[in-house]
Amino acid sequence: DVKVTQSSRYLVKRTGEKVFLECVQDMDHENMFWYRQDPGLGLRLIYFSYDVKMKEKGDIPEGYSVSREKKERFSLILESASTNQTSMYLCASSTGQGDNGELFFGEGSRLTVL
Amino acid sequence: GQNIDQPTEMTATEGAIVQINCTYQTSGFNGLFWYQQHAGEAPTFLSYNVLDGLEEKGRFSSFLSRSKGYSYLLLKELQMKDSASYLCAVRDSNYQLIWGAGTKLIIKP
Repeated sequence: DVKVTQSSRYLVKRTGEKVFLECVQDMDHENMFWYRQDPGLGLRLIYFSYDVKMKEKGDIPEGYSVSREKKERFSLILESASTNQTSMYLCASSTGQGDNGELFFGEGSRLTVL
Repeated sequence: GQNIDQPTEMTATEGAIVQINCTYQTSGFNGLFWYQQHAGEAPTFLSYNVLDGLEEKGRFSSFLSRSKGYSYLLLKELQMKDSASYLCAVRDSNYQLIWGAGTKLIIKP
């Protein structure tokens, strides 16, 4: 069964802390994405990556960075967490090679910044 | 700007049929997706439409009219497990996904 695994389901951090969210996929997908999901809003793209060591800014990259050192792993980093980064973070992957581009999502990481 | 509109919440009865609409205004069009998301879980893929018409997949069907910027998801023979949020997303000319806020579907016995 294909799988996207996010390291933490729930995190509570304090303002100013550095936060790492890890995502691993076992489908050998080229494309990986980080979204945040907030009530009343559509999914918003933070960063994405089409290949190892490649990264592209999405719609709301401010306050975030990413790392993709290996094909299966895509990490989201909050250098200095702020209360407005309290949200659900969803990682996703896709093949992007001649198919419909279906996204496979992880279970999500709910981050609370105090 | 780019915009996806879908109703915030809908209620339907077990065994009935419900239609969830999605209208969009985007910079170009390269396909429309429907995802299902149960509370506290990951979104899962339901359907993909790139040409006009109806795509049927079991109890679920999805319709697309590109000229009207309109799609709907039709759910038949509703079951309690269909209670979930349904997300509409359009892929624009840059192959980026634009997401609607989702429609929360409540099924009553």
